[in-house]
Amino acid sequence: GAVVSQHPSWVICKSGTSVKIECRSLDFQATTMFWYRQFPKQSLMLMATSNEGSKATYEQGVEKDKFLINHASLTLSTLTVTSAHPEDSSFYICSAKLPGLLREQYFGPGTRLTVT
Amino acid sequence: QQQVKQSPQSLIVQKGGISIINCAYENTAFDYFPWYQQFPGKGPALLIAIRPDVSEKKEGRFTISFNKSAKQFSLHIMDSQPGDSATYFCAAPRPGNEKLTFGTGTRLTIIP
Repeated sequence: GAVVSQHPSWVICKSGTSVKIECRSLDFQATTMFWYRQFPKQSLMLMATSNEGSKATYEQGVEKDKFLINHASLTLSTLTVTSAHPEDSSFYICSAKLPGLLREQYFGPGTRLTVT
Repeated sequence: QQQVKQSPQSLIVQKGGISIINCAYENTAFDYFPWYQQFPGKGPALLIAIRPDVSEKKEGRFTISFNKSAKQFSLHIMDSQPGDSATYFCAAPRPGNEKLTFGTGTRLTIIP
């Protein structure tokens, strides 16, 4: 149980275009999902918290107009990187938290974004 | 500002040996401490987690030890195998919310 999927697994886009990444909880409902960014050989940096039916909350220093998050249902959150630039190239990973008071977060397989 | 300090940064252990990774925390919520395992190009996988009402939790070859007074928790991998070669992250919850702060990671290599 507690499986999280991401799509696509990798994407290459041109500078100035937008890219959408989907995160789905396959076997549980997730009122809260998280989006992380990871550079090579570095730790996971939380970008934003996505709550179903409400606006996402962003970590300090993360541009909310650049990284649009939508949590339209209890099993789907999307991250759209708008007007992508080469410095946005990174490994983007989502996680979904079990409902209620449970703390466990389960991660998706990640999406490798390369902006040329 | 919450901090999670993880050590060592990298670790080489012989097959069959014990791998030990440590984390120290400050200013964290005091209710849940997980360890994640990450292989290259993959998302982190929840390995084992402990709640501070116990000082140790064991699942197979993996054990978490928790030292409340020292504000430290550690991961022990017994009988380490080449398949355990991965990067391991500890995490601690932030006070008052559901977010996790991750340690800097430990790159574990098990050699034959």
